[in-house]
Formats: sequence, C-alpha cells, structure tokens
Amino acid sequence: GENVEQHPSTLSVQEGDSAVIKCTYSDSASNYFPWYKQELGKGPQLIIDIRSNVGEKKDQRIAVTLNKTAKHFSLHITETQPEDSAVYFCAAGLINDYKLSFGAGTTVTVRA
Amino acid sequence: NAGVTQTPKFRVLKTGQSMTLLCAQDMNHEYMYWYRQDPGMGLRLIHYSVGEGTTAKGEVPDGYNVSRLKKQNFLLGLESAAPSQTSVYFCASSYQVAGASYNEQFFGPGTRLTVL
Repeated sequence: GENVEQHPSTLSVQEGDSAVIKCTYSDSASNYFPWYKQELGKGPQLIIDIRSNVGEKKDQRIAVTLNKTAKHFSLHITETQPEDSAVYFCAAGLINDYKLSFGAGTTVTVRA
Repeated sequence: NAGVTQTPKFRVLKTGQSMTLLCAQDMNHEYMYWYRQDPGMGLRLIHYSVGEGTTAKGEVPDGYNVSRLKKQNFLLGLESAAPSQTSVYFCASSYQVAGASYNEQFFGPGTRLTVL
C-alpha cells in the first residue's frame, strides 16, 4: 500500500515568514495529493489539493508543488499569520478513489 | 447543515469495557470512514464503508467493529477496550457523483477516548 512520509514534525516560524512542509510517497500510481489543516480541537479540513497532471497550484498565500519523478510534494505558506498555527497533514491517493493515505502531520506555530 | 457529527466528545473507559462511537452525516454522502489519530502517527484508517450495509477493513482494524445500517450513520464499536486504544477518533465522509468518487473527506470534530 501507499506510504506517505512528512517532514518536519514541528515547525516554528516568525509571523510574516514562510513555512514549507515536505512529503514523499511510495506508490507511483498515486495521482491526487491533498493537504488538510487541523485547528486545535477540530477535525482536519481540506485546504488545497493537487493532481498529478499539474506541477504547482496556488491559492492566495498557500501553494503546493509536485515532483512526480521524485515522488514528493510540498506545501508552501507565505506571509504566515497567527491563524496559520495548526497541524497540517499531507495525503496521497487516486483520483476517483475513496481512500487516502495520510502523513504523520506537522505542527506549525507562528510566533508573533 | 450540521455536516459530520460525533458522539460522544470525550469518554473514559476501564480495560475490558465496551462502547460504541456514533458518527452521523447529513450530506447524503456514500462513503464514511473511521480514523484514529495518535501523536507522531497521523491519521490511520480503521474501517470504512462505501455504502449502506457495507463495511471494509482499513489499516488498523483489530479490536474494532463497525456497522452502517443507515446511510447517514456509521458506528464504531470497541468490544473489550484496551489501553492501546487510547486515542482521538475521527469520523469522515465523502461523496460520489455519477459513478465517480470525489476525494475530499469531511471530518467530524473527534472523540477523545481514554482507556485506563
């Protein structure tokens, strides 16, 4: 099955700086890579996703990049704000499939 | 819409006790999932269901049973709780349109279970 590794496990950044989280996956058939954000006391929520037919996708201050050859993908958060403090999970799966394999999560803390 | 709701929010059990966690969704989603979240291990799939009356094992199914008697509900049972089942449990659902599945999963708020 799919194995997703996520680094780092914790990340502390100064407000206004950028944050980068990296994930690798093992199954070359995976073609769907979402990122979920989990705020304290809540369930994870999808914030952005990318499919294997594109290399980069942006949505305001967040962007995801995908390198299919190396089997890794990354989340970039620019101009971090206190509300970006949360646990972020990457995941991998197949488009039109119903299962996802999640990474272990990254706890991001934005320092004021 | 309430989305995905979970009952209870917190529970403490003694080793050997049994309990059922209830998940309900009002979005008419076909697929439902139970995950457990442990520090450093992310979200691990326990069981899932692709429709009413059907269930399947996920990555870590041992010690758990599930039932999906109604489309909107997905129950997770612990027959004889063990300390290793201390965790935060999340239910999620996702939908299907015209024969295709959509990957976005909608999560409930979680149930924090402690087994002493």
